Amino acid sequence: NAGVTQTPKFQVLKTGQSMTLQCAQDMNHEYMSWYRQDPGMGLRLIHYSVGAGITDQGEVPNGYNVSRSTTEDFPLRLLSAAPSQTSVYFCASSYSPGQGSGNTIYFGEGSWLTVV
Amino acid sequence: AQSVAQPEDQVNVAEGNPLTVKCTYSVSGNPYLFWYVQYPNRGLQFLLKYITGDNLVKGSYGFEAEFNKSQTSFHLKKPSALVSDSALYFCAVLPYSGAGSYQLTFGKGTKLSVIP
Repeated sequence: NAGVTQTPKFQVLKTGQSMTLQCAQDMNHEYMSWYRQDPGMGLRLIHYSVGAGITDQGEVPNGYNVSRSTTEDFPLRLLSAAPSQTSVYFCASSYSPGQGSGNTIYFGEGSWLTVV
Repeated sequence: AQSVAQPEDQVNVAEGNPLTVKCTYSVSGNPYLFWYVQYPNRGLQFLLKYITGDNLVKGSYGFEAEFNKSQTSFHLKKPSALVSDSALYFCAVLPYSGAGSYQLTFGKGTKLSVIP
């Protein structure tokens, strides 16, 4: 049982390049999400998904794209990287946390992205 | 929209002394409340959560937290601090219901330093 797995761990991009951060979970969780962590700002939600084929925006969605074709995978795409997207990115998953369930959300180990 | 405040950027405590990390929240309706810990260059680890029932919640590594509805607080406590407790601590809130119930909202984090 690997939990939430993110790749790559570290990445340096040039402005304007595109890339995809991969996230996979093996716990059959319906809910998956992406957060970014910036110094002094805590974690902010980018996008989330409550099941295959269903995604929605979080607090800071601009510049990012997601899709959910399978229960296991939830990739995050940067279409044209900007220096403002330099951050640490965390993927998270759980059984559905909404609507009264209170299920715990579990996080991956993070992906450190630098855009130069 | 929900929000979390962690009023202290840093808390210093001597080893063996009790520690408190403060958290207040704002949410419509009933909240689910969480504490996570982050060690350097690692992901977030779940410590404990409040769903309903007993206002004193016990979690991992000897930590506990007290839910106070009237003061909208969920302070993290430990009777005797260890040097290994030094880390970044995040409080988070999830509304019981509604659209926001899929969006875990974090405070900005409190850096705990336990001094030998």
